[in-house]
Amino acid sequence: ETGVTQSPTHLIKTRGQQVTLRCSSQSGHNTVSWYQQALGQGPQFIFQYYREEENGRGNFPPRFSGLQFPNYSSELNVNALELDDSALYLCASSLSVGIVGRDKNIQYFGAGTRLSVL
Amino acid sequence: AQSVAQPEDQVNVAEGNPLTVKCTYSVSGNPYLFWYVQYPNRGLQFLLKYITGDNLVKGSYGFEAEFNKSQTSFHLKKPSALVSDSALYFCAVRDATDSWGKFQFGAGTQVVVTP
Repeated sequence: ETGVTQSPTHLIKTRGQQVTLRCSSQSGHNTVSWYQQALGQGPQFIFQYYREEENGRGNFPPRFSGLQFPNYSSELNVNALELDDSALYLCASSLSVGIVGRDKNIQYFGAGTRLSVL
Repeated sequence: AQSVAQPEDQVNVAEGNPLTVKCTYSVSGNPYLFWYVQYPNRGLQFLLKYITGDNLVKGSYGFEAEFNKSQTSFHLKKPSALVSDSALYFCAVRDATDSWGKFQFGAGTQVVVTP
């Protein structure tokens, strides 16, 4: 086990609703990244948080937003849910030292939250 | 822009035989390369990484990978596959010169090891 925990494990929502997913990073880690993994595909980078600020974002619309808290845990919020948002959402934590993003450190993943939008 | 290609959707191998999972990449700068494995209903587990140095990288569970700069490849290998190696394998790349180092994952390769 990696020490990265995500909640809830499964979630069912209807189109148009809002959802919040939570991630507790591994002890000692200060950086959290979120990924969306659609069925049969590889994880797609949503965004990354370091020191409570977003410092990188993939090709996702603004209705995908996040937070990082002082204890380095994080939330992913998705507004106005669409059917295509149905996916496994993965959180990964890492320790960033020096120039964030250029570090060589491993990202450790949680087990994910399976979101189904009906 | 960076990209990763895993040309095989599935690899089938008999237990005890060598296992190879292919990965090619494209980045503007120098690559940081990673392999992860995913079991059903689980997150991704780190196997190994290449940052710099020796082209042959050894990782967890007997896996290794060879970095080939001229062919822009980072194939995952295991000399003798086990049934328990059956899982979904992902190759990922980061651009070392990118200011915030976005991870780009391949689409994954399903490995099926038969007894």
